[in-house]
Amino acid sequence: DGGITQSPKYLFRKEGQNVTLSCEQNLNHDAMYWYRQDPGQGLRLIYYSQIVNDFQKGDIAEGYSVSREKKESFPLTVTSAQKNPTAFYLCASSMGSGRASTGELFFGEGSRLTVL
Amino acid sequence: AQTVTQSQPEMSVQEAETVTLSCTYDTSESDYYLFWYKQPPSRQMILVIRQEAYKQQNATENRFSVNFQKAAKSFSLKISDSQLGDAAMYFCAYRFPHSGNTPLVFGKGTRLSVIA
Repeated sequence: DGGITQSPKYLFRKEGQNVTLSCEQNLNHDAMYWYRQDPGQGLRLIYYSQIVNDFQKGDIAEGYSVSREKKESFPLTVTSAQKNPTAFYLCASSMGSGRASTGELFFGEGSRLTVL
Repeated sequence: AQTVTQSQPEMSVQEAETVTLSCTYDTSESDYYLFWYKQPPSRQMILVIRQEAYKQQNATENRFSVNFQKAAKSFSLKISDSQLGDAAMYFCAYRFPHSGNTPLVFGKGTRLSVIA
């Protein structure tokens, strides 16, 4: 079935360690996104990529890094520079532009990161 | 910058009754998408309904309908005949432009409880 797969679902990290969250899609979507969700804060944009080998910072990019070497994959690295990394992370994708596009984002099931 | 405001952090409704969730947004654009997403306890984001700003007719999906007031920049969600499975976080979101792979801007969400 087509969809977005995020892994791991739960992750624990010690302070000072980098960690990478995986996001893979088989929907043939051009664009991919990473959002962070905290209680009472809604979803805040970390990074997004509209095409392979290109990505843009979102509202809260500090302490995070991404790569987009393949259309299907958009991994997110939470670095030790991120001061408060404990959160729920959601990856999403969307199809091409134009009136044929439905405009919506398709989401993975999320990854819960806890820093000990 | 575009912003989305959900003024009701929490709402409750009796089973089989109707409830309306509020959403306002700020934009200077005329052509854009608006969405309501549902996030149940599983945390999977599910699209409930979408509205294209150039369409004057309010979108409807079964028991879910919207009241889109473009001049007032208001986009409320009405849930009729509420069911226990409707209990979830609901997020309002905005996307500009209508075409193009730009990120969604989300509100902070409304937690809906359904009372049996």
